[in-house]
Amino acid sequence: EAGVVQSPRYKIIEKKQPVAFWCNPISGHNTLYWYLQNLGQGPELLIRYENEEAVDDSQLPKDRFSAERLKGVDSTLKIQPAELGDSAVYLCASSSGEAGELFFGEGSRLTVL
Amino acid sequence: GNSVTQMEGPVTLSEEAFLTINCTYTATGYPSLFWYVQYPGEGLQLLLKATKADDKGSNKGFEATYRKETTSFHLEKGSVQVSDSAVYFCALPGGAGGTSYGKLTFGQGTILTVHP
Repeated sequence: EAGVVQSPRYKIIEKKQPVAFWCNPISGHNTLYWYLQNLGQGPELLIRYENEEAVDDSQLPKDRFSAERLKGVDSTLKIQPAELGDSAVYLCASSSGEAGELFFGEGSRLTVL
Repeated sequence: GNSVTQMEGPVTLSEEAFLTINCTYTATGYPSLFWYVQYPGEGLQLLLKATKADDKGSNKGFEATYRKETTSFHLEKGSVQVSDSAVYFCALPGGAGGTSYGKLTFGQGTILTVHP
């Protein structure tokens, strides 16, 4: 069974440029998460989807961040414009609903210069 | 809201040494508790979990016991190997502002390095 797939693995951009990350969850997993992981810190939730509905986006900085999960499968996280402080790893995870068992992708490491 | 606090690292051990990584939690009720591990270059993966007080989760030689008296869930292994070098995260459902059981809140992570 394929795991959670994320792309790109690495992205370097200049500040004020846009960037987008893509995630393909495990087949059949209705719940999808985007987490932010700063260096030396644990992951912090940005947004959670149940199918195509964003049910928890309270930590998503909506002035520059947006996300979508069309058709309740793949998801895209966008930042526009990027700032220096956005340099971090963006993790996607999915679950089938069993409480606490999340399956993570390898992450997308963003560097903003 | 729910939160976890992990011991600060990094932790450096020799092979076959005993490992303890401390984790304490603050929670409403008695939620499940988890340890996740992140090996170099890989995504986080579930290592073990415990769903109620006094439960012991175990996997790959690691163990953790859910202690409600001390609100702790310390990770232990009797004899570590070089391949155990990774970052370990304690986690529980919910977070600041309430208990949303559809998400996990993670500790800051503890880097473990095991030398031959």
